[in-house]
Amino acid sequence: NAGVTQTPKFRILKIGQSMTLQCTQDMNHNYMYWYRQDPGMGLKLIYYSVGAGITDKGEVPNGYNVSRSTTEDFPLRLELAAPSQTSVYFCASSYYPQGVEETQYFGPGTRLLVL
Amino acid sequence: DQQVKQNSPSLSVQEGRISILNCDYTNSMFDYFLWYKKYPAEGPTFLISISSIKDKNEDGRFTVFLNKSAKHLSLHIVPSQPGDSAVYFCAASAINPAGSYQLTFGKGTKLSVIP
Repeated sequence: NAGVTQTPKFRILKIGQSMTLQCTQDMNHNYMYWYRQDPGMGLKLIYYSVGAGITDKGEVPNGYNVSRSTTEDFPLRLELAAPSQTSVYFCASSYYPQGVEETQYFGPGTRLLVL
Repeated sequence: DQQVKQNSPSLSVQEGRISILNCDYTNSMFDYFLWYKKYPAEGPTFLISISSIKDKNEDGRFTVFLNKSAKHLSLHIVPSQPGDSAVYFCAASAINPAGSYQLTFGKGTKLSVIP
């Protein structure tokens, strides 16, 4: 069981470039989430998905897009990178809805620097 | 508007002594609380949780206390070990306007256990 895997580990982008952060889980979890963590701050929810084909916005969705075509994969797309998107991005998954006698399993994170 | 507050950015404790990490919240709709532990360059990992209908939950060296009237929870680690040195995030769960549970994280407290 690899758990939640994320690629790449680190990336530098120029302003205006686009990229996709990959996230895969092998635990057959229905729920998947994308968070960002800015320095000295807590994690903020960007988007989440309650199952294949279903996604919804979190607290900070602007500048991002997601898709969920399979149970395993939940990629996060940045279309026009901006310096404000410099952050560490964490993907997470859970079997039940978060917070309902359930925990989330996090990936190792992707560090993104936009210059 | 920070709904989950961890007012101590850092805490240093001697090995073998008790570590007490504090968390305050403002949203009375939170019904489930979790603590996550994070090592550098890794994703957060679940540590312990508590439902709003309880006031204490224990798991080995870790105990979480919840005071609903004060909107305050604390994590006690006894005895503290050097391997406990990490950033600890407090998180709280409530149903969002879309009808899904959503976690709100505090900024974290960096615990250093001194041998």
